[in-house]
Amino acid sequence: DAKTTQPTSMDCAEGRAANLPCNHSTISGNEYVYWYRQIHSQGPQYIIHGLKNNETNEMASLIITEDRKSSTLILPHATLRDTAVYYCIVRGDYGGSQGNLIFGKGTKLSVKP
Amino acid sequence: EAGVTQSPTHLIKTRGQQATLRCSPISGHTSVYWYQQALGLGLQFLLWYDEGEERNRGNFPPRFSGRQFPNYSSELNVNALELEDSALYLCASSRDLNTEAFFGQGTRLTVV
Repeated sequence: DAKTTQPTSMDCAEGRAANLPCNHSTISGNEYVYWYRQIHSQGPQYIIHGLKNNETNEMASLIITEDRKSSTLILPHATLRDTAVYYCIVRGDYGGSQGNLIFGKGTKLSVKP
Repeated sequence: EAGVTQSPTHLIKTRGQQATLRCSPISGHTSVYWYQQALGLGLQFLLWYDEGEERNRGNFPPRFSGRQFPNYSSELNVNALELEDSALYLCASSRDLNTEAFFGQGTRLTVV
């Protein structure tokens, strides 16, 4: 079973920041938080991942709370092409839990003009 | 650099037949993952291979099987096809067990 809880859907105005929350209250010390998105039955696209520090790349920023029980994915300037289902996934290292990615239901983000 | 490639793109089979789906990982990646996504549903984990060995398996019947070849490419076999096996089958690869995985565009299997 997925170890994360996400809102079913969210709306965001084009050009504004999209903040997608994720709860992972049972995360253990060696488990990473991964974010993927899937646009209409295409293969999921990797966005970003982190352990405990905040991370930023060309696509997004990942903010992880100090207790690591929740995180937020930030798309700084959402465009219509960012409309997708966003998945927050907790993934363990091989020495601990499973290394494969277990997908939940995700958040359907709709970016509106 | 080429991404994860899957073949065929589409596959139509008759109930009871066998289907073989193929996946070529990104060069340098040793881990391959298979997922099933039925229409309108989420991604269900099927199989995970690394260095030629099956590392983990999802909650699927034994007629779903696969293997990983020495060049790290992988094959998913589905025997005794049932109508509910109709789905998008996605393959992903990662450099090792702890790095990000990248997905292919999938094989759309239709069982009639």
